[in-house]
Amino acid sequence: SQQGEEDPQALSIQEGENATMNCSYKTSINNLQWYRQNSGRGLVHLILIRSNEREKHSGRLRVTLDTSKKSSSLLITASRAADTASYFCATGQTGANNLFFGTGTRLTVIP
Amino acid sequence: EAQVTQNPRYLITVTGKKLTVTCSQNMNHEYMSWYRQDPGLGLRQIYYSMNVEVTDKGDVPEGYKVSRKEKRNFPLILESPSPNQTSLYFCASSFWSSGKQETQYFGPGTRLLVL
Repeated sequence: SQQGEEDPQALSIQEGENATMNCSYKTSINNLQWYRQNSGRGLVHLILIRSNEREKHSGRLRVTLDTSKKSSSLLITASRAADTASYFCATGQTGANNLFFGTGTRLTVIP
Repeated sequence: EAQVTQNPRYLITVTGKKLTVTCSQNMNHEYMSWYRQDPGLGLRQIYYSMNVEVTDKGDVPEGYKVSRKEKRNFPLILESPSPNQTSLYFCASSFWSSGKQETQYFGPGTRLLVL
């Protein structure tokens, strides 16, 4: 499969805690992107990290990329109930025209 | 407001009755794509287009058609829908630069039920 794989499939934490989600992939990439989806709604882009970058921040989000291990992680700090959603990684693979999405991590933040 | 719109948002139909789901974007994006989302399977790409009159198959194109006559529109056509096409469908668009996949903007989704 060309898809990325997120881990864990589901995560439940208390409000205020940090949430970490991981993504592994199999091929060479141009970039890796993280998206968020509220239940039944369209995906919303969170952050894009290019293959020559190792870390990127956006507000409470921190993304790391390790191309030698073919993995990425998304950290959400000081989580809020409103962060409850599914999170997907998507890889822009070298030589491919498309993004390949994983099956997602379902995050539940308990107030 | 920059956006991707899809219509209809919800559709119930019967097996074999042709239908079209429209998708339109106002961001002058070259790249447009259709996905279906099913429980446990994530997003799977149906068809994509890199520019006007240029379309190509994704991972699950069987039973679907698309066209790209104008840059802003990318309709998805089900000539003879079957129950296994019951799904949540998303249209997305993005810029296309030097063969690299950029940020995609998603429509709100179309929930289709085929009886």
